[in-house]
Amino acid sequence: QKEVEQNSGPLSVPEGAIASLNCTYSDRGSQSFFWYRQYSGKSPELIMFIYSNGDKEDGRFTAQLNKASQYVSLLIRDSQPSDSATYLCALVSGGYNKLIFGAGTRLAVHP
Amino acid sequence: KAGVTQTPRYLIKTRGQQVTLSCSPISGHRSVSWYQQTPGQGLQFLFEYFSETQRNKGNFPGRFSGRQFSNSRSEMNVSTLELGDSALYLCASSVGAGTYEQYFGPGTRLTVT
Repeated sequence: QKEVEQNSGPLSVPEGAIASLNCTYSDRGSQSFFWYRQYSGKSPELIMFIYSNGDKEDGRFTAQLNKASQYVSLLIRDSQPSDSATYLCALVSGGYNKLIFGAGTRLAVHP
Repeated sequence: KAGVTQTPRYLIKTRGQQVTLSCSPISGHRSVSWYQQTPGQGLQFLFEYFSETQRNKGNFPGRFSGRQFSNSRSEMNVSTLELGDSALYLCASSVGAGTYEQYFGPGTRLTVT
């Protein structure tokens, strides 16, 4: 079992819709979770981080964390074609700054 | 505030050679982490440095090494290059104490022929 699992997609949503991206993890001790966006040919960009159970909102993005069920999700409201990218879920493993990444979900927002 | 910078951006090397990549973190950040990204394996952690000390290491052979200088700049070295070392090498910086948010540089694309 991989430490961080994501559906590879592509997830296709129409412009203006809500995109829902999900991630599950195996280590119950994980405390810190991150969502990165990566455009083709570019480096990952941090868009959200969440450390506590519940929801965290930032603009059009909402991160949701449920430690009991071991999943993290990212909602993108009012999706735009510019949101089309690969979204990587990551968590801190073993302390310090070792991030473990999922394989990423490719999101395609079509006009 | 300037972001993370990496040099060089592109590199072509031959099998058996060695290579050194450089990373300058965001001003005030003391932690630098290195990652390798390939289509097959995704993003994998190489190692992390904080205040010139390696605090964490991933599952890579000893050919991969790194160091950090007193100004927090970091270098990673790969010796005896293999074809499988072709990848995007990413450096990420963070404050390093009490927070885990990491910010990536643009990466160095290494091609081994």
